[in-house]
Formats: sequence, structure tokens, C-alpha cells
Amino acid sequence: GAVVSQHPSWVICKSGTSVKIECRSLDFQATTMFWYRQFPKQSLMLMATSNEGSKATYEQGVEKDKFLINHASLTLSTLTVTSAHPEDSSFYICRPPVTQYFGPGTRLTVL
Amino acid sequence: AQSVTQLDSQVPVFEEAPVELRCNYSSSVSVYLFWYVQYPNQGLQLLLKYLSGSTLVKGINGFEAEFNKSQTSFHLRKPSVHISDTAEYFCAVTLDNAGGTSYGKLTFGQGTILTVHP
Repeated sequence: GAVVSQHPSWVICKSGTSVKIECRSLDFQATTMFWYRQFPKQSLMLMATSNEGSKATYEQGVEKDKFLINHASLTLSTLTVTSAHPEDSSFYICRPPVTQYFGPGTRLTVL
Repeated sequence: AQSVTQLDSQVPVFEEAPVELRCNYSSSVSVYLFWYVQYPNQGLQLLLKYLSGSTLVKGINGFEAEFNKSQTSFHLRKPSVHISDTAEYFCAVTLDNAGGTSYGKLTFGQGTILTVHP
């Protein structure tokens, strides 16, 4: 299947700082990317969809100004958690629509 | 909009016993169905998928699932489980399909924790 990577795989930050998560498609081009969030012991919830050349579309209840999503190129989508707080601690996962496979995920812990 | 219900939040079972993890979906149109497994502190791994054709789908690690349109179900089964099958299992559904080359937004069930005891 198509290969997707995420960086970093694990990050700890202080409350109030911003964290950028990268999602790269390694052997194909992706004009869109789905971003999911998984809180501890919960299921995955779609947060937003990044779109190359246009604004991201956010799911209901997701704060656009807090979770900045950018589709920088056909192989890179980024999610920036701005002014992170402990309640943002979660597992963030990306997936391109061309595959049913997910990226390996990024574990964010905000202290 | 589609939805997915996994009927059991936890399923304990003894090693070498059979297991069935239940999944029901709700949709007014045709869907594509998936089962994923997630081991502790790891990402999701695709077990199997149903897109079309035979309603009995075989996946990795000896798992299989049967699509039942009349009952809107997609239950996951394994005839003999191992300790290593202990994990959380997610059923997921998507409506979108651009000619078989695109998989749209996936909606997930709540997950079922399978615990295999020796």
C-alpha cells in the first residue's frame, strides 16, 4: 500500500507552546489529506481535511484557529496545534484518500 | 450520514477459542467497510476490507469478516485466537469511492478491546 510517514512520532511540550506535525506521502502525490485525532481509550474522530491549493475543511466542533492545517505540497500536509493545552494531548493520525492505510501517528503530550 | 456501532466494548476470551467482534452500520447508500487493529501505543493496521464482490472477506492474521447487507452488519471472526491478538479493533465505514481509487472520510466505531487469556 501507499506509504505515509509522520514526524515527530512522539512529542512532549509545555502548555502554551505550538507544535507542528508533518505528514508526508512517500511514493505518491496527495492533493488532500485527512487528519484524525484519538483521545486515550477512545475511537478516532476526523478533525479536518487539508486541500492542496485551497483552505482546509474542518469538521464541526474543531477550532480552526487552534488547529492550523496546511497542505504545503503534493507530498506534505501539516497540522499545527497552537497554544497547546493538556486537553489537546492526543494521538494525531493522517491518511490520504488514495489509500485505506493510515500514517503511523504522532503522540502529543502537553504538560 | 453513515454511522458505525460496535456492540461490545470489551471481549475477553481464552487462547485458542473462537471469537466474533460485532459491527453494525447505518447508511442509506452503499458503503465500503473496514476492520483495523491497534496494538497498545501503536497506529492502526488494516486487517481487511469489503468493497464489493464476495461477502466473505479474508484478512491478515487469520481474521475474516462477512458482509451482510440485509442485517447491515460486518462482523469480524477468528476461529482460534492467540495471546498476540490482544488489541483494540475498530470497524470503519466510508461512502466515498472515486472509481475505486479513492477512499473518503472514514467513520469509526467505538472500538472493541479483545483480551486473550492463557
